[in-house]
Amino acid sequence: GENVEQHPSTLSVQEGDSAVIKCTYSDSASNYFPWYKQELGKRPQLIIDIRSNVGEKKDQRIAVTLNKTAKHFSLHITETQPEDSAVYFCAARRNQGGKLIFGQGTELSVKP
Amino acid sequence: DVKVTQSSRYLVKRTGEKVFLECVQDMDHENMFWYRQDPGLGLRLIYFSYDVKMKEKGDIPEGYSVSREKKERFSLILESASTNQTSMYLCASGGQHNEQFFGPGTRLTVL
Repeated sequence: GENVEQHPSTLSVQEGDSAVIKCTYSDSASNYFPWYKQELGKRPQLIIDIRSNVGEKKDQRIAVTLNKTAKHFSLHITETQPEDSAVYFCAARRNQGGKLIFGQGTELSVKP
Repeated sequence: DVKVTQSSRYLVKRTGEKVFLECVQDMDHENMFWYRQDPGLGLRLIYFSYDVKMKEKGDIPEGYSVSREKKERFSLILESASTNQTSMYLCASGGQHNEQFFGPGTRLTVL
């Protein structure tokens, strides 16, 4: 069935370093890949997304890359700050408006 | 401003009780979703709905049912709560082309 694998499960970096989180998906028909950030005690919120007709998308310090051939996509955070500390979830979706398949989550800790 | 609300932030129930979790969205979205979130397992889809009175099973529907009588409201029902249903429950809504917006979550404890 449809599956999204996310690694690593935990990630600790020093403030100012970069952080990379990777996901692979199984459904080759997936065409939409969002990333959500969930701060402690709060709801998940969309931070960036990418569609299958694009290889890379950037928004200030965050970027997402997509390799459709290999069926994997990654989140890159540069110049990390303590407020980047949160759980990050990747997801994949086949149909517009349809269900998202989520990865297991990555707990990112940015140490000052 | 987008808003998805859930009826309770915290809920404590006893084994065997019938439990209702309510979700309301004010964005006129067609699609609504119920997830449960457990450490190390991410967000797992329980049920979803594309329209009023319509429902589809997600990945873990066993022990749950849903109701969507009005477009803005999507209810999750635990017919007979069990301890393994202790979890964080998140509701989400989304339009045909939009992202999914999550509610604040309900932390359910079943004793």
